[in-house]
Amino acid sequence: QKEVEQDPGPLSVPEGAIVSLNCTYSNSAFQYFMWYRQYSRKGPELLMYTYSSGNKEDGRFTAQVDKSSKYISLFIRDSQPSDSATYLCAMRAGKLIFGQGTTLQVKP
Amino acid sequence: DTGVSQNPRHKITKRGQNVTFRCDPISEHNRLYWYRQTLGQGPEFLTYFQNEAQLEKSRLLSDRFSAERPKGSFSTLEIQRTEQGDSAMYLCASSHDRGYEQYFGPGTRLTVT
Repeated sequence: QKEVEQDPGPLSVPEGAIVSLNCTYSNSAFQYFMWYRQYSRKGPELLMYTYSSGNKEDGRFTAQVDKSSKYISLFIRDSQPSDSATYLCAMRAGKLIFGQGTTLQVKP
Repeated sequence: DTGVSQNPRHKITKRGQNVTFRCDPISEHNRLYWYRQTLGQGPEFLTYFQNEAQLEKSRLLSDRFSAERPKGSFSTLEIQRTEQGDSAMYLCASSHDRGYEQYFGPGTRLTVT
């Protein structure tokens, strides 16, 4: 079993839809939870991070962490074609431990 | 540009050849990480440096792989006797000592034929 599990998709939604991306993890010691966005042929860029449990909002993006269920989510509101990318969840344990990534396509 | 840079961006080599990649981190960052990413997968940790000291190595880093950061600035990753299974994107990231954010470079895409 991988430490971090993420549905690879692909996920295709119409412009303006609400997108929900999810990961589960097995190590209860994880404290920092991150979402990276990766465009094709580019390195990952940090989108959001959350420390411990709770919600964090940044514009159209909301990150949620439920440590009791070992489950994290990223919600994208009013999705745009420019949001089309691969979204990677990651847990920080010094190094980063990534999920497989979910490929999202937002169609105009 | 003050971001992480990696060279070369692409490398095609024949099986059995040696290759070396370079990473230049953000100048004030003490920590430097190497990851490998294969198609359809998330990046996997290989190794990291605190200044010039290599503090952790993944079991993915076989004896054919060696990484250095001689003066605590740029780093090199060498793969000896390349195999087709080494084909991947090699990503470098850097961060402050206690910073949560790792800044990634654009990666070096290696193809072993």
